[in-house]
Amino acid sequence: GNSVTQMEGPVTLSEEAFLTINCTYTATGYPSLFWYVQYPGEGLQLLLKATKADDKGSNKGFEATYRKETTSFHLEKGSVQVSDSAVYFCALSEASGGGTSYGKLTFGQGTILTVHP
Amino acid sequence: GAVVSQHPSRVICKSGTSVKIECRSLDFQATTMFWYRQFPKQSLMLMATSNEGSKATYEQGVEKDKFLINHASLTLSTLTVTSAHPEDSSFYICSTEGVPPRDTQYFGPGTRLTVL
Repeated sequence: GNSVTQMEGPVTLSEEAFLTINCTYTATGYPSLFWYVQYPGEGLQLLLKATKADDKGSNKGFEATYRKETTSFHLEKGSVQVSDSAVYFCALSEASGGGTSYGKLTFGQGTILTVHP
Repeated sequence: GAVVSQHPSRVICKSGTSVKIECRSLDFQATTMFWYRQFPKQSLMLMATSNEGSKATYEQGVEKDKFLINHASLTLSTLTVTSAHPEDSSFYICSTEGVPPRDTQYFGPGTRLTVL
């Protein structure tokens, strides 16, 4: 079956530091890959996504590249801010046949990021 | 993106009672909704896929008689935890499938259930 593995947290950084959160996946087909973010007290929000190999997703200074050869989708940001403190989830979805949902998501365990001023 | 609400945001109940959680899609019609459970410091676990007008599809290991899902309209899905026990205490989150793109989901803020 499908699975997603994220680097364990928590991650604590100073403002303007470089961020990397590793994510690797196992899938039987050709999944779409996502990073979702959960800010304190809020629901998960889509941060970025990539739907095929070598695609790069980007948003709010965050980037992640779909690497099929290493089955990875690492999240990076060059200079983090205090407001980036949140829980980050890597996820994949794989279209399924037989009329079931297209977007069934498999999540990694989440990485807590804390950025200090 | 779409806006999804959940009600209540927090509920405390006694063991043996039933609790209903509502998930509403506020600005678009959601044919498909998902229900997740999130344990502390752990990932989201998909419980079931809710399809408007038909029976929900439950993931392996999820008791369909305990977690009743109803998706009677394109804007509302409900999850009822029947005969709740302390081990059912958790954070329950719903999401809707994007229209389009269908591979993107929009999440509600979650409901914290505590069973005493």
